[in-house]
Amino acid sequence: GAGVSQSPSNKVTEKGKDVELRCDPISGHTALYWYRQSLGQGLEFLIYFQGNSAPDKSGLPSDRFSAERTGGSVSTLTIQRTQQEDSAVYLCASSYNPGPPQETQYFGPGTRLLVL
Amino acid sequence: DAKTTQPNSMESNEEEPVHLPCNHSTISGTDYIHWYRQLPSQGPEYVIHGLTSNVNNRMASLAIAEDRKSSTLILHRATLRDAAVYYCILKRSGNTGKLIFGQGTTLQVKP
Repeated sequence: GAGVSQSPSNKVTEKGKDVELRCDPISGHTALYWYRQSLGQGLEFLIYFQGNSAPDKSGLPSDRFSAERTGGSVSTLTIQRTQQEDSAVYLCASSYNPGPPQETQYFGPGTRLLVL
Repeated sequence: DAKTTQPNSMESNEEEPVHLPCNHSTISGTDYIHWYRQLPSQGPEYVIHGLTSNVNNRMASLAIAEDRKSSTLILHRATLRDAAVYYCILKRSGNTGKLIFGQGTTLQVKP
């Protein structure tokens, strides 16, 4: 079946512009996660959705970052007034049920964002 | 969440077994041990997980110490495609399911 898809695969923008990154999770997966991987940094958690609500936004680095999920499916991560330090690979993952600790996550290929 | 410690890098020869260690001395009784790997320019992918008993699947084996303070991911015959960053992660019930990634082990496979 189809995996997690993300678009665009690459995005180049100018400092100060807004960008939107899209994630299509695996059909039927209730949980959706956004992570960020900066050059030389590890993967860091940004936000978690259960259905359309986001009970954990603890990883969002600033109020310039926001995300929403509609219909329990597609999610959009928006970065306003982009800064050069926002340059990173943004990864989306989904899982069927986040509760059980044995549950696994399926990752998309990521969106590579470059802020000039 | 409990912390894991892995070597920064390891090397292996193609078609030889690879043992990737992970220390998790503060693991709690309900923590599952998960391994993910990230191939170059790709998102992470699930490899294997376990709780107490050793586990095998088509990709790898997971050997868990009796006291659960360490574990080892075993690739039985490394191929060039196995060159990746391998992450050992602990997950427990009752949280959001988010993964806390450490630095992982970069595995280099030499032909």
